[in-house]
Amino acid sequence: EVQLVESGGGLVQPGGSLRLSCAASGFTFSNYWMHWVRQAPGKGLVWVSRINSDGSSTNYADSVRGRFTLSRDNAKNTLYLQMNSLRAEDTAVYYCARDAPPGLFDPWGQGTLVTVSS
Amino acid sequence: DIQMTQSPSSLSASVGDRVTITCRASQSISGYLNWYQQKPGKAPNVLIYAASSLQSGVPSRFSGSGSGTDFTLTISSLQREDFATYYCQQSYTTVRTFGQGTKLEIK
Repeated sequence: EVQLVESGGGLVQPGGSLRLSCAASGFTFSNYWMHWVRQAPGKGLVWVSRINSDGSSTNYADSVRGRFTLSRDNAKNTLYLQMNSLRAEDTAVYYCARDAPPGLFDPWGQGTLVTVSS
Repeated sequence: DIQMTQSPSSLSASVGDRVTITCRASQSISGYLNWYQQKPGKAPNVLIYAASSLQSGVPSRFSGSGSGTDFTLTISSLQREDFATYYCQQSYTTVRTFGQGTKLEIK
């Protein structure tokens, strides 16, 4: 079964850091681009970041560029999102998703909640 | 970045109704448009990809059309399980932007 499982969410104070992980199984992880998408409480889906298959290229939304870093370990089939200088507006459920040809997100993980609050 | 605009933002309809949701891109995206359904507390699921291709396992009452900048998602006969939020997403660029969503509610 193709599956993505996120972990690492939790409560963090403004200015703090958190690292999210996304463990992949059931497919050849190293062949696919991967993305993070977030959803603030009661709001819509917002694309956050993307990494290519070998980790050599990344893109970020303007709202997180310079604070978040996306990486991957293809030997461990795991995607990472390092989040620094967190703000209240970063509070959201964070989903990882596989980029399947021709560009659809399938599957998605179950999501992990990040809450930034003092 | 390409901006995606959905309309309406919300919609009330009854079981059996035919419903259409529109998505407009800020520039041409050819046919690189996907549609997702999301139910409360769950991750989104893809319904339609490449504007008009039905994802495996998705009921045939869902259909998509369009190209360039204007796209539609149609549900031919609403079922109770279709009441959810729907999002369009462009995959023309590596920055895969979403529309703001359309919440479909029971009338």
